[in-house]
Amino acid sequence: ETGVTQSPTHLIKTRGQQVTLRCSSQSGHNTVSWYQQALGQGPQFIFQYYREEENGRGNFPPRFSGLQFPNYSSELNVNALELDDSALYLCASKSHGRQETQYFGPGTRLLVL
Amino acid sequence: DQQVKQNSPSLSVQEGRISILNCDYTNSMFDYFLWYKKYPAEGPTFLISISSIKDKNEDGRFTVFLNKSAKHLSLHIVPSQPGDSAVYFCAARDNNDMRFGAGTRLTVKP
Repeated sequence: ETGVTQSPTHLIKTRGQQVTLRCSSQSGHNTVSWYQQALGQGPQFIFQYYREEENGRGNFPPRFSGLQFPNYSSELNVNALELDDSALYLCASKSHGRQETQYFGPGTRLLVL
Repeated sequence: DQQVKQNSPSLSVQEGRISILNCDYTNSMFDYFLWYKKYPAEGPTFLISISSIKDKNEDGRFTVFLNKSAKHLSLHIVPSQPGDSAVYFCAARDNNDMRFGAGTRLTVKP
């Protein structure tokens, strides 16, 4: 059984650029969530996708968008990058159901200069 | 708004003793609570959870207690082992929105 994987592991961008982060869900999982973890803080919920549709969103602006594909892999896109977007971005997958456990990937560390 | 708070950024205990990590929350709509452990360069790993209809859940050395009236959650690890040294996050769920605390770094000394 393959766990949650994310790519790339590290990324450096400049302010104003756009970035796409990728996530492959754990086998059998059809729900994926993305989180932003700034230094010294806990993960902050960005949004969740189920059956290729967004079905939950945290307090993040529209320039944070996502996609979920039929094979349940997922992308996080961030437009017009700002310095404060520098963080660890975590993807988590689970089976559908409110109390199913989420399994996290190792994250992508994004640095915006 | 920080709906889930872990007020102790760090905790140090001796091997074999009990570790108690605390978490407070403000949103009464949270109905499911979880603890995650995180090692450097890895994503958080699920440890234990508890539904709001219970006040205790135990799994081996790990026990989670929930006090709904106080909106307080705690994780007990006994006996603590050096391999337990990590950052521990508590999390609370309301529908599809999961909120995390800022984490407590636990160090277990041999």
